[in-house]
Amino acid sequence: KAGVTQTPRYLIKTRGQQVTLSCSPISGHRSVSWYQQTPGQGLQFLFEYFSETQRNKGNFPGRFSGRQFSNSRSEMNVSTLELGDSALYLCASSLEQAGRGELFFGEGSRLTVL
Amino acid sequence: GEDVEQSLFLSVREGDSSVINCTYTDSSSTYLYWYKQEPGAGLQLLTYIFSNMDMKQDQRLTVLLNKKDKHLSLRIADTQTGDSAIYFCAPSVRGFKTIFGAGTRLFVKA
Repeated sequence: KAGVTQTPRYLIKTRGQQVTLSCSPISGHRSVSWYQQTPGQGLQFLFEYFSETQRNKGNFPGRFSGRQFSNSRSEMNVSTLELGDSALYLCASSLEQAGRGELFFGEGSRLTVL
Repeated sequence: GEDVEQSLFLSVREGDSSVINCTYTDSSSTYLYWYKQEPGAGLQLLTYIFSNMDMKQDQRLTVLLNKKDKHLSLRIADTQTGDSAIYFCAPSVRGFKTIFGAGTRLFVKA
C-alpha cells in the first residue's frame, strides 16, 4: 500500500511569489491535514479537509489556503510569500476525521523563501 | 485555548530509561498520541492512550496519563541509539483535530 506522497520535496521561492504544494493520501483515506513545521515551534496545524470540505482551520493568515479534490488529493497554496514562511510543510492522511485515529504523514515539502 | 508543552531536549545513556513529559490544556482530548520523527522523515505513530486509561504498556514503551493535571509521559526502557529522534506529544482536540507539541529531541549516548 503506497504511503502519503508529497510533491515537490524541496523548493526555493522569493518573497512575494506564491507556491502550491500537493499531497496524495493513502488510498481510501478521506481526511487530509496540513501542518507547518519549524524548529522550536513544532507542528502548527494549518487546516484539515474531509471529503472535499474544510473541517478545521488553524491560526494562519488568509495567504494560506487549501483544497481537496474528489479523489482526496489535496493542495495547499501560499500567496505573497514571506521569509517567515520558510518551513517544512507536512501532510497527513487518515481514514476518519483527524483527531479520531492515526495520522499517516508524508515526508514533507521543504520550502525556502529568499 | 489549545496548547501542548514539551521540553525541547533530553539526553540519556544507552541502556538507561528515557522519560519524555508533556502537558496539554484541552480537557476534551479523547486520544493522546506519541509520534516519532527520525531525521529527514515524516512522523510515525509510536503509541497512544485513550483518555479513560491511566497507563498503557507496549513492549519497551510505557505511557502514563494524569488527566486531572493534563500531564502525559512516555517512558522508553533500555534506550538504544536507534531511539534517537524527535518525539511529539499529540492530543486530539474535541475529536476533530490533532495538535502537536514542539517535540522533544532525544539524544542517546553510546
